[in-house]
Amino acid sequence: EDKVVQSPLSLVVHEGDTVTLNCSYEVTNFRSLLWYKQEKKAPTFLFMLTSSGIEKKSGRLSSILDKKELSSILNITATQTGDSAIYLCAVEVQGGSEKLVFGKGTKLTVNP
Amino acid sequence: DAGITQSPRHKVTETGTPVTLRCHQTENHRYMYWYRQDPGHGLRLIHYSYGVKDTDKGEVSDGYSVSRSKTEDFLLTLESATSSQTSVYFCAISSGLPRRSPLHFGNGTRLTVT
Repeated sequence: EDKVVQSPLSLVVHEGDTVTLNCSYEVTNFRSLLWYKQEKKAPTFLFMLTSSGIEKKSGRLSSILDKKELSSILNITATQTGDSAIYLCAVEVQGGSEKLVFGKGTKLTVNP
Repeated sequence: DAGITQSPRHKVTETGTPVTLRCHQTENHRYMYWYRQDPGHGLRLIHYSYGVKDTDKGEVSDGYSVSRSKTEDFLLTLESATSSQTSVYFCAISSGLPRRSPLHFGNGTRLTVT
C-alpha cells in the first residue's frame, strides 16, 4: 500500500525562527513529490519535485528531494505569522489509477 | 482560485437522502478529481475523471458516484448519505499535456450528514 508520512504532525514556533518539515514515502512507482500549503480553504501548490538533490526555492521557502532516502524536506526561514497553515506533502504515483497520495499534513503555528 | 467553483459551499442533510455536489472549471483542463478531507486522514481520493464520460474510482469510492457530461462540470453524488460521509469535499483539476500540471483545488464543500 502506498504511504506518505509527514512529521512532525504539529509545530509551534516564534516569528523569525527557521523550520524544517519532513515527508517520507513508500510507493510502488514514484513520479513526483508535491508540497501544498493549506490555510482556511483550498490547498495551494508550492513545489513539485522530481529529481533528487535539486533544490526548489520560492522566497523564504525551499524544498529538496532525496530519492535514495525516499524523503523530502520543506524549509521555511525567518517565519512570519502568515506562514501559519497546514503543509501537505503528496506523492504522485505512476501507472494504473492516476492519483496523488497525501500525507496527513503538518500544522505549523507561528506566534508573534 | 484557478477557475474552479464548487457548489454548494455548505450543506446539511439528513441520513438517507441523496446529495449532489458540483464542481465547475473554466480552465478546460482534462483531469478532474474529488477528494474528501477528514481529521486524522488527510486528503483521500474518491473518484477522478480523465475526460468527458471517462471516470475511475479512487481509494474511498464506496457510497459515491460521479458523472462528467461536459469538460467543465464534474458531479459527485451520494446516493444515500450516511453520517460517515460528513466531511469537507474538495474538487481539483489538472491539465493533460504535455505533462499533467500540479493539482489545483477548489475552495471545498463542507457537508454535514445528521
